[in-house]
Amino acid sequence: AQSVTQPDIHITVSEGASLELRCNYSYGATPYLFWYVQSPGQGLQLLLKYFSGDTLVQGIKGFEAEFKRSQSSFNLRKPSVHWSDAAEYFCAVGVYRNEKLTFGTGTRLTIIP
Amino acid sequence: DGGITQSPKYLFRKEGQNVTLSCEQNLNHDAMYWYRQDPGQGLRLIYYSQIVNDFQKGDIAEGYSVSREKKESFPLTVTSAQKNPTAFYLCASSMGWGQPQHFGDGTRLSIL
Repeated sequence: AQSVTQPDIHITVSEGASLELRCNYSYGATPYLFWYVQSPGQGLQLLLKYFSGDTLVQGIKGFEAEFKRSQSSFNLRKPSVHWSDAAEYFCAVGVYRNEKLTFGTGTRLTIIP
Repeated sequence: DGGITQSPKYLFRKEGQNVTLSCEQNLNHDAMYWYRQDPGQGLRLIYYSQIVNDFQKGDIAEGYSVSREKKESFPLTVTSAQKNPTAFYLCASSMGWGQPQHFGDGTRLSIL
């Protein structure tokens, strides 16, 4: 069965600084991968997805993620964070012909002025 | 606008009472899902349905029940057998495998 790990429970960055959130997955074949963002008391919003092809994926709100098969990783990056990026971020993994997704435990992002 | 509607936003349950959470989608998606979210535990799958009149248990189905009589609707009942129901419940839908899941805004259930 597939699994996903988000090693960082909480990250704090200064506004305008760069950001990288880590996501590692475990699966024998190529998975499909997602990053979602959740504001307090809200549902999850899709930031980007990787299914196949180009390993660098662009998403909404200036986010991007890179799929690295050799490292089983799908890290989320943003060159310059804004205070509105403060939220919880979830990585999710899915596998071929299976409608279910497995979610990581999330990384809470705090932005300081 | 297409989307997923969950109601109510807040729900309170008395001991020994069943409560039903509503989830409606107008995205014409075949698959629908229910998740439970607790602090620090991410999302855990309760039930999911790939087509009308069919559904499967997820990882934490005990104490919950669902129905899928219409494509648009996937209500979740939290029964009195669920001993720790206080949580944030999220409904989602998707077109199928490989496609992203779209989420509602959640229902927060508390015990009186």
